[in-house]
Amino acid sequence: QKEVEQDPGPLSVPEGAIVSLNCTYSNSAFQYFMWYRQYSRKGPELLMYTYSSGNKEDGRFTAQVDKSSKYISLFIRDSQPSDSATYLCAMSAFNQGGKLIFGQGTELSVKP
Amino acid sequence: DSGVTQTPKHLITATGQRVTLRCSPRSGDLSVYWYQQSLDQGLQFLIQYYNGEERAKGNILERFSAQQFPDLHSELNLSSLELGDSALYFCASSVETGGNYGYTFGSGTRLTVV
Repeated sequence: QKEVEQDPGPLSVPEGAIVSLNCTYSNSAFQYFMWYRQYSRKGPELLMYTYSSGNKEDGRFTAQVDKSSKYISLFIRDSQPSDSATYLCAMSAFNQGGKLIFGQGTELSVKP
Repeated sequence: DSGVTQTPKHLITATGQRVTLRCSPRSGDLSVYWYQQSLDQGLQFLIQYYNGEERAKGNILERFSAQQFPDLHSELNLSSLELGDSALYFCASSVETGGNYGYTFGSGTRLTVV
């Protein structure tokens, strides 16, 4: 079993929809949670960072962490065709140096 | 442009050969990370250097090695290449050693072993 599980999709939504992307994890030592966006043939780009449980909002993006359920989410409101990309969750523990554990990524397509 | 520079962008080489991938971190960043991305394994952590010293190691093959130089650029050396080494190799950098606040990735080197 992988430490981080993420549904690879693909996920297709109409423009303006609310998108929900999710990851589950098994390592209770994870404390730092991130979401990256990766466009085709590009490097991952950091979207959101959250420490421990709670919510964080940045524009159209909201990240949620539920450590009791070992479940994290990224919500995208008013989705745009430019949001079409692969979204990767990533997480790390305090004592693992700089090592991030990534999910497989969810491919999102927003149709005009 | 993320500020992390990787060269070359593409590399095609034969099995058994050796290649060197180069990374220049973002200005001011002391940590460099190397990741391998393949379709079946996703993004896998290889190794981290902080200010010239190795700080963390992932499932990096013995045929692979890396170093970080005094000017903070880093090189990943891949030897005795096999078909299965074909992948995207990413370098990332951060100002601190923990990487817990996320880091900045380069655009990657696409390695094809034939």
